[in-house]
Amino acid sequence: GQQVMQIPQYQHVQEGEDFTTYCNSSTTLSNIQWYKQRPGGHPVFLIQLVKSGEVKKQKRLTFQFGEAKKNSSLHITATQTTDVGTYFCAGYLTDSWGKLQFGAGTQVVVTP
Amino acid sequence: DSGVTQTPKHLITATGQRVTLRCSPRSGDLSVYWYQQSLDQGLQFLIQYYNGEERAKGNILERFSAQQFPDLHSELNLSSLELGDSALYFCASSPKIGGYNEQFFGPGTRLTVL
Repeated sequence: GQQVMQIPQYQHVQEGEDFTTYCNSSTTLSNIQWYKQRPGGHPVFLIQLVKSGEVKKQKRLTFQFGEAKKNSSLHITATQTTDVGTYFCAGYLTDSWGKLQFGAGTQVVVTP
Repeated sequence: DSGVTQTPKHLITATGQRVTLRCSPRSGDLSVYWYQQSLDQGLQFLIQYYNGEERAKGNILERFSAQQFPDLHSELNLSSLELGDSALYFCASSPKIGGYNEQFFGPGTRLTVL
């Protein structure tokens, strides 16, 4: 079954608001990657987190990797219409190099 | 543009048929990955090749096979197609093997099985 879970599945956000999407794994991850897929497009790499408790920022996006390396979050502040798309987290289980496990994604819709 | 190319862009075929999807990785990338994306299953890892050799296998059906050629392009062969095989198939590439490399995705091939 799916080992990397993402919530929520859908997120409707008013422009200017903040939101967070969460990623949880049933097992420890070696690292976690986040991708964004625009409607009709392909997944595009955003960032990678490797260390326990790591926090990285990209402008309005803040990414965190949990202390136990089993969860991660993406927080977007002051949402813009350009943030529309599906955000996927993906992780490698510690014994499965090559098998990147994707979460089901959070589909973000932004209302102007 | 990620530098990964996939052909064809769209493919419409009938049940029972066989199709071949083609992927050219970014220049210099040795690893190629294949994914299936359907509405109810999300992005599912199918298989990975590194420099011509199979390195990791995911939930790939026995009716599906892949290979990576000496020039590093890869092909995914889908046979005895069923309605449920309709999906977007993505190819991705990365420079090396292993989990510390971002993957660059191609534009995908949309397969419709009628």
